[in-house]
Amino acid sequence: QSVLTQPPSVSGAPGQRVTISCTGSGSNLGAGYEVHWYQQLPGTAPKLLVYGNINRPSGVPGRFSGSKSGTSASLAITGLQAEDEADYYCQSYDSSLSGSVFGGGTKLTVL
Amino acid sequence: QVQLVQSGAEVQKPGASVKVSCKASGYTFPTYGISWVRQAPGQGLEWMGWISAYNGNTNYALSFQGRVTITTDTSTSTAYMELRSLRSDDTAVYYCARAGGSGGAGTLWGQGTLVTVSS
Repeated sequence: QSVLTQPPSVSGAPGQRVTISCTGSGSNLGAGYEVHWYQQLPGTAPKLLVYGNINRPSGVPGRFSGSKSGTSASLAITGLQAEDEADYYCQSYDSSLSGSVFGGGTKLTVL
Repeated sequence: QVQLVQSGAEVQKPGASVKVSCKASGYTFPTYGISWVRQAPGQGLEWMGWISAYNGNTNYALSFQGRVTITTDTSTSTAYMELRSLRSDDTAVYYCARAGGSGGAGTLWGQGTLVTVSS
């Protein structure tokens, strides 16, 4: 069981909007620690999509956006494209564990 | 260019140790830290630990404490991760990532190193 909980899978048709949730607790997201989001295509290293809750690195399309409230965070993807099909992970710091933690990952399927 | 290049795949026997390297280039190495993350076959990401490339301070995941050591060599801009007492469930791809702190985002990732533990 991951400290950060993500749905195992989500799906959407091309052009649609999907959201991926990341639920934590008072020792991580609820304590104010930032959340980061990654995209991992099959056989490749993770790629940073969102850092510090809402910020996008240079080169990441504006279709990807992050939000955070209390003990939860979300990654939204609008204008879904076939190449968005990948695994997505959230990450934060946990004070009880004194280290970083990842969510279990969410597989996005583009129908 | 800015990149992290990891050492090649390893096959080790149970009980042995493995040391994976991660060579940075294209940026000032001491400015950032390095995290190590692993991914078992078909599984999610697991954070192992972090080291400051500035002063060598480390922070290890509780599940790996006593079994993992992360070091840096600033003269070669290289980080190392050594995992001891290997078990079959340590078979995984091991990634290094540039990160500002233990909870920092991995802004740059190595290509990954497959470590297989098998008798």
